[in-house]
Amino acid sequence: DTAVSQTPKYLVTQMGNDKSIKCEQNLGHDTMYWYKQDSKKFLKIMFSYNNKELIINETVPNRFSPKSPDKAHLNLHINSLELGDSAVYFCASSFQGQGRDGYTFGSGTRLTVV
Amino acid sequence: AQSVSQHNHHVILSEAASLELGCNYSYGGTVNLFWYVQYPGQHLQLLLKYFSGDPLVKGIKGFEAEFIKSKFSFNLRKPSVQWSDTAEYFCAVNPGNTGKLIFGQGTTLQVKP
Repeated sequence: DTAVSQTPKYLVTQMGNDKSIKCEQNLGHDTMYWYKQDSKKFLKIMFSYNNKELIINETVPNRFSPKSPDKAHLNLHINSLELGDSAVYFCASSFQGQGRDGYTFGSGTRLTVV
Repeated sequence: AQSVSQHNHHVILSEAASLELGCNYSYGGTVNLFWYVQYPGQHLQLLLKYFSGDPLVKGIKGFEAEFIKSKFSFNLRKPSVQWSDTAEYFCAVNPGNTGKLIFGQGTTLQVKP
């Protein structure tokens, strides 16, 4: 039973398209996150939601819009995709926004923009 | 700005060698510290964490890390590595219990059989 599941696992799309990545967690966590891992494997937080409320919003282009319909789901929608958006996107979840007990990560979505 | 620095970008060891990966962070307040491992093609898995108490933390798979507050360091160690330890290792800091994990740039560990 996957704790944090992301779909799709791979996504290849053309520049200018709009795409979504979905994330679901069955751990009962109340906080969810999106991280971006670039080609050099550097991980950077993009967004965080606690009980459907946005609590962290890093400097991310407006083309990226997270949506959390409930505390078990956090989706990421990307408009007008650009080459530089190519990366691996990881969803994660934790108890409480403080993340003291660490995060559980999904298996990642490899996005390739051509 | 808060940052995490991992000194070794690429480490190559033979099996049974000892491992120490350096990690330093820049934040003067309370921190929670983590080491994650990412096996090829897989997601990040938590190796160990520190948020209070004994500064020597033991994790899974024989890994341990020591928090030295005066040095702002949280180095990862393993006495004897195995080929299966080949992976990417990330140090991460949650500064001030903000819930925002800041990652180091990662260290690629390659263990030769």
